[in-house]
Formats: sequence, C-alpha cells, structure tokens
Amino acid sequence: DAKTTQPPSMDCAEGRAANLPCNHSTISGNEYVYWYRQIHSQGPQYIIHGLKNNETNEMASLIITEDRKSSTLILPHATLRDTAVYYCIVRPAYNGGNMLTFGGGTRLMVKP
Amino acid sequence: DAGVTQSPTHLIKTRGQQVTLRCSPISGHKSVSWYQQVLGQGPQFIFQYYEKEERGRGNFPDRFSARQFPNYSSELNVNALLLGDSALYLCASRGKGAGDEKLFFGSGTQLSVL
Repeated sequence: DAKTTQPPSMDCAEGRAANLPCNHSTISGNEYVYWYRQIHSQGPQYIIHGLKNNETNEMASLIITEDRKSSTLILPHATLRDTAVYYCIVRPAYNGGNMLTFGGGTRLMVKP
Repeated sequence: DAGVTQSPTHLIKTRGQQVTLRCSPISGHKSVSWYQQVLGQGPQFIFQYYEKEERGRGNFPDRFSARQFPNYSSELNVNALLLGDSALYLCASRGKGAGDEKLFFGSGTQLSVL
C-alpha cells in the first residue's frame, strides 16, 4: 500500500474550517484514500473515502488533487469535539480485507 | 444498534502470563479484525477473520492467535506476555455488502503487562 505523510499536529479555532493535508505521492490507480479519526480513549472512526472525485458527507469533505498525489480533509465548522488524531490511509479497492496501514496521523487541536 | 463491543476494557497481567480478549461485531457483520495500538502510535493490523477462517495476518509473532466463532464473535489470545505487549487492542468489524468498505472499531481493551 502507498505510504502517506501528514503533519504531526495542527491547531484550529472553534467554528473555523479545519483543513488537514495528506501527501500520498506513490498512490496507484486502484487505491482509495480513506480518512479515520481517533478521539482520546476511543477506537478509530471512519470519516470519508474517495478515489479521484471530491467527496462530501455529513462529517467532512475530501478534496483529492487531479494527479491524486495529495488530498485535504475539510471539517467545515470545527467544534471542540473534533479534537482528535486524524489518519489518512491509502488502501487498494476491493481487496476484500480489513488491513489498514495507519501512520502517525495528525493531532488536531480545536481551541475555543 | 449496538456497535462493536470489547471486553474487558482494562486488564493487568504479569510477564509470562496468557491473556484472552473478546470482541462482538456489529449485528450482521461477518468479518472481524484485530489491531494493536502502542501508546503514541497508530494501530497496527494483527489478524482478520471472515466466516471463522483467518483471512490475513500482520507481522506479529506466533504468541498471538485468534479465532472466530459461529456467531461471528472473536477472541484474541496472547501467550507468554512481554512488557512490550502493553497496548490498546482494538477490534473492528465490517459488513459484506456492496460499499461496505469501512471498518467499525470498538473502544478497545487496554492491556498493561507488568
């Protein structure tokens, strides 16, 4: 699976948009970009995933560059409850497996 | 609906002992996987089971084993515990339907080895 690079930490003011970048320059054509987050003392929580088109759901938006070498997770109006470690993961499509390769993630701190 | 449930939530063992951790997947989910998360790091894949068969294994020693039962619940066993086995052990389940590509994680079992 392709390797991802994320900044170790970021701050965001409450109510503002949080933009979390991820570099995945070695991604191949059949690999999806997944985002999970882990709030303290809980298991990881799925946020969103995409292949090449931008995606939006009730939690966030995912913007993938045209060359697919990087992506940005956007939390449009961050709240204190969004403070968590955010993981960007690249995973082959339809591999039928549950193996996700987690990196170090980005620790997002939302401040009042 | 209940999410993925794990027991116990916390456990303290001494070196050399054996431990069994338990997981119940979301109702209807047939695939279960286990992850180990050492403090300050992301989770690492240990095992995947589907329909009671092992479908994937991460880079962990043979001291780690698992099984899945007919009701799709699962157990993770670790023998001859080492201090380095101290970690949060996470269980995740996944549906089999089209588009069921996301994993649902439990809150984990915090294992401390003294």
